[in-house]
Amino acid sequence: AQSVTQPDIHITVSEGASLELRCNYSYGATPYLFWYVQSPGQGLQLLLKYFSGDTLVQGIKGFEAEFKRSQSSFNLRKPSVHWSDAAEYFCGGGGADGLTFGKGTHLIIQP
Amino acid sequence: KAGVTQTPRYLIKTRGQQVTLSCSPISGHRSVSWYQQTPGQGLQFLFEYFSETQRNKGNFPGRFSGRQFSNSRSEMNVSTLELGDSALYLCASSLEGERPQHFGDGTRLSIL
Repeated sequence: AQSVTQPDIHITVSEGASLELRCNYSYGATPYLFWYVQSPGQGLQLLLKYFSGDTLVQGIKGFEAEFKRSQSSFNLRKPSVHWSDAAEYFCGGGGADGLTFGKGTHLIIQP
Repeated sequence: KAGVTQTPRYLIKTRGQQVTLSCSPISGHRSVSWYQQTPGQGLQFLFEYFSETQRNKGNFPGRFSGRQFSNSRSEMNVSTLELGDSALYLCASSLEGERPQHFGDGTRLSIL
C-alpha cells in the first residue's frame, strides 16, 4: 500500500537557521511526491512537486526538496527560515487514486 | 484566475442531522476531490469526481456521498451526522490526470 511518513510531529527552529523536514514514502513505482504548507484556518498550498528528472526540486518561498530513491526519502529544506514560515507542513504522494498524506510536521520558529 | 472556492466556511450541526458542502473548482478544472482533515487521522481522501462521475472513493461509510454537476461544481453530503464527523473538509481541483491538486480553504464542520 502507498504510504507517506513524516517522523517529526513538531520541529522548532530559530529564525535565520536552516531547516530540514523529513519525509519517507513507500510506493511500488516511482512516485509523484509533493510538499504542501498549511497556515491556520486555511487550505493547503503547494510548495513543490517531484515527478521525474532532476532529483533536486526547487519550490516557492525558497524551499527545495531532494528525492533519494535509495533512502525512500523526499526531505524538504530551506537555508534560512523566516517567522512567516511557521505552519504545518505535509508531505504527500500521489497516484490515480488520489493523494496520500503524511500526518504533518508542525514548524515553530523561535525569535 | 480564481482559486477553489468552498462554501460555507463554517458550519455547526447537531448529531443526526445532514449537511451539504459545496465546492467550485478553478475554471477549466474538471476533476474535484474531497478530503477530510482531523487532528487524529490527518488528511484522508474521501472521493474524486471527474465529468460528473465518481472516479475513486476512499474508505469512508456510505453516509458520505458526493456529486458533480455539468459545470464541474461539486457537493458532498454527510447524512446522520456523528460527533466524529467534526473536521475540516477540503476540496481540491485539477486538470484531468494532473497531480497534485489545488486546494480550497475548506469548510470547518462542527457537530454538537
